[in-house]
This record gives sequence, C-alpha cells and structure tokens, in this order.
Amino acid sequence: AQSVTQLGSHVSVSEGALVLLRCNYSSSVPPYLFWYVQYPNQGLQLLLKYTTGATLVKGINGFEAEFKKSETSFHLTKPSAHMSDAAEYFCAVRSDSGGYNKLIFGAGTRLAVHP
Amino acid sequence: SAVISQKPSRDICQRGTSLTIQCQVDSQVTMMFWYRQQPGQSLTLIATANQGSEATYESGFVIDKFPISRPNLTFSTLTVSNMSPEDSSIYLCSVTRTGEGSSYNEQFFGPGTRLTVL
Repeated sequence: AQSVTQLGSHVSVSEGALVLLRCNYSSSVPPYLFWYVQYPNQGLQLLLKYTTGATLVKGINGFEAEFKKSETSFHLTKPSAHMSDAAEYFCAVRSDSGGYNKLIFGAGTRLAVHP
Repeated sequence: SAVISQKPSRDICQRGTSLTIQCQVDSQVTMMFWYRQQPGQSLTLIATANQGSEATYESGFVIDKFPISRPNLTFSTLTVSNMSPEDSSIYLCSVTRTGEGSSYNEQFFGPGTRLTVL
C-alpha cells in the first residue's frame, strides 16, 4: 500500500531563513509527487509536481522540491521564508490503484514564520 | 486551471440532520472527487463522483451515509446524512482536467465546506 510521511507536524522558521519541509513516500509504481499549500480557511493550491524528467522541480512562490528515488524523498524547500508562507503544506503521491487520478496525502506540516 | 465553488462555505447543523454540499466548476472536467479533512488531519478521499452513474466509494465510506450525485460534467453534490459530531470536518471537492501534453490530469480543489455538527 502506498503512503506518504511528512516529518514534523509543525515547523517554525524566522523570516528570511531557509524553509525545509520533509516528505517521504512509498509507491509500487513510478511515483507522481505533489506539494499542496492550504492557507487558513481556504482550499488546497498546487505548489509543484513531479511526474517525469528533471528531478528538481520549481513551483510557485519560490518553492522547489527535489525527487530522490534512492531516498524515496520529495522534500520542499524555499531559500528565504516570507511571512506570507505561513500555511499548512501537504505532500501527496499518485495512487497506484483505482485510477491514476487519485491522490494519497500526508498528514501535513504547519509552517509558522516569525519576524 | 479550473475555478471551483462550493456551497455552503460553512454550516452548523444539529445531530441527526442531513446537509447537501454543492460543487460547481466553471468548465467541463474529467473527474470529480470528494474529500474529508477532519480537524487537524490530512485529506481522506471519500469517493469519486461519476457522471450518470453511482459514485465509487473508498473503504470506510458508504453510499447511505454519503450519497453523491453528478448529473453533468460541471456539477456534483455530496450529502452528509444523519450527522453526528464525528462528521464535523471540512469537505472538499476536487476536479481533474486533461493537461496539454501531460499524461496526468492535474487536480484542483475547491475552497471547502466547513461543517460543525452539534
């Protein structure tokens, strides 16, 4: 069965500091991986995705993630945090059963940014 | 992208009653899904809404509790029946559209419906 593990339910950084949100996955098929962001009282917005090709993917708002097959990881990074980055972040992997449009989500990481 | 609206945005309901949540998309989409996000938790897929046929439910979810309709390619409803406080959650609609040159249909989410059951 597939799964997504996000290490750290809460991460706190100072404004301007590096953001690192960790995601590890398990998949029996070549994974399609996603990071979504959820701002307070809003739905989910796609930050970036990896399907095939280049393993370093760039997304919106200065975020990027690197797919590392050997480590089964897809960590999300941003060089310099802004106050507006405070939100909940979800890592997800494409399901390998029941149709490729289904997503399996991690538990989420709440990012706090302090002045 | 797809613009998705949900109604109501939030509601407070009494135990034993039912609530129907609507999901409207601004254009035709391939697939529609309903997710539940319980307080402080991640998203769990409830079912895939199929146009013109019965929805496909995930393990742990049944049609009697969560009846779903999808009469056309842009609209779906989810009903939460005979509610209890454990049903207090955010319910999200999501859709996929075929991306140009992409083998994966990117998934977009609605703003969610925040349900509180007393």
